[in-house]
Amino acid sequence: AQSVAQPEDQVNVAEGNPLTVKCTYSVSGNPYLFWYVQYPNRGLQFLLKYITGDNLVKGSYGFEAEFNKSQTSFHLKKPSALVSDSALYFCAVRGPFTGGGNKLTFGTGTQLKVEL
Amino acid sequence: DAGVIQSPRHEVTEMGQEVTLRCKPISGHNSLFWYRQTMMRGLELLIYFNNNVPIDDSGMPEDRFSAKMPNASFSTLKIQPSEPRDSAVYFCASSPPTDTDTQYFGPGTRLTVL
Repeated sequence: AQSVAQPEDQVNVAEGNPLTVKCTYSVSGNPYLFWYVQYPNRGLQFLLKYITGDNLVKGSYGFEAEFNKSQTSFHLKKPSALVSDSALYFCAVRGPFTGGGNKLTFGTGTQLKVEL
Repeated sequence: DAGVIQSPRHEVTEMGQEVTLRCKPISGHNSLFWYRQTMMRGLELLIYFNNNVPIDDSGMPEDRFSAKMPNASFSTLKIQPSEPRDSAVYFCASSPPTDTDTQYFGPGTRLTVL
């Protein structure tokens, strides 16, 4: 079964500092991994995805994620956090496959709070 | 381009009433997803359609929930009868055939059942 785990409910970081939001995955076969962000009272927005290729994936708003096969992790990172990055972040994996279409299985979300 | 459109944005109803949530996917997208988000259960996939055909409805909580997609530009999620535990934010999302992994979410409908 496809699943992702986000071990931290909340991450606090000071503006200007680097941030990391953690995600580990469990899949059968090659992993297709995603990060989405949800701002207050909004729907989720796509940030980035890993399908194949370079282990460091760059996405929107200066975010990047590092795929690590040996640690089955896909952590979201940003070199310098902004207060405006404060939001709820979801890791997701493609599947399980149920006969068509591309279903995503989302993690429980991590609330990122960036403070001045 | 307009994004995914959902209506209403807020709905307050009384237990036992029928509720219909509406979604217009992005033009040209051929996959449509209905999700429910609550504090307790997080984000749950209820059902998804591909080319207007329901593919997986295993997330639909019970027979009180039903979803339809009569054409490529419209879908409904109906709850009949509604119960207080159905209170949640319901999201619709769509994906294009050229990038089936990326889902575009609507703003959601906040449902409160009293």
